[in-house]
Amino acid sequence: NAGVMQNPRHLVRRRGQEARLRCSPMKGHSHVYWYRQLPEEGLKFMVYLQKENIIDESGMPKERFSAEFPKEGPSILRIQQVVRGDSAAYFCASSPPTGFGYTFGSGTRLTVV
Amino acid sequence: QQQVKQSPQSLIVQKGGISIINCAYENTAFDYFPWYQQFPGKGPALLIAIRPDVSEKKEGRFTISFNKSAKQFSLHIMDSQPGDSATYFCAASRSARQLTFGSGTQLTVLP
Repeated sequence: NAGVMQNPRHLVRRRGQEARLRCSPMKGHSHVYWYRQLPEEGLKFMVYLQKENIIDESGMPKERFSAEFPKEGPSILRIQQVVRGDSAAYFCASSPPTGFGYTFGSGTRLTVV
Repeated sequence: QQQVKQSPQSLIVQKGGISIINCAYENTAFDYFPWYQQFPGKGPALLIAIRPDVSEKKEGRFTISFNKSAKQFSLHIMDSQPGDSATYFCAASRSARQLTFGSGTQLTVLP
């Protein structure tokens, strides 16, 4: 039973480019969450999605960031026109409908140069 | 009101000792309090979690103590081992959805 799969593990982008981070939830999990972790800090909630539906995006920056969880395929976190301040580790988690049994992936480390 | 305050920032313990990490929260709507362990380059892994209807939960060497009136909870690691050296995060949420994390405690267990 594979865990939460995130790819790529490491991503380097130049300022102004787009970054696409992918997350495949655990089998049987229908809820996906994205978090961002800056160096030496805790994780900050960004967005909570179910299939084809954004439930809570209160932690998402208003501009340049978007997320989706289509009917088929992984969840995608998209960052347009990246800036150096976007450099961080981005973690995806998934859970069953109850919310309990929250499982994190190993993260995508984004570096903007 | 959404903050979770965690202390200490770093902790050094001798092998076999007890590690204690504390967290405090403000939002009384929180009803789920997990602790996560994170190794460098890895995602957080759930260690143990508690609901506010109990004051203590123990799983192996890990114990959560919960004080609802003080809005505080703590993680105790008994018989700490070098393999426990990691960063520990407390978190809180309402109905196990959006988690609000503490700032983390870097634990070092000396051999």
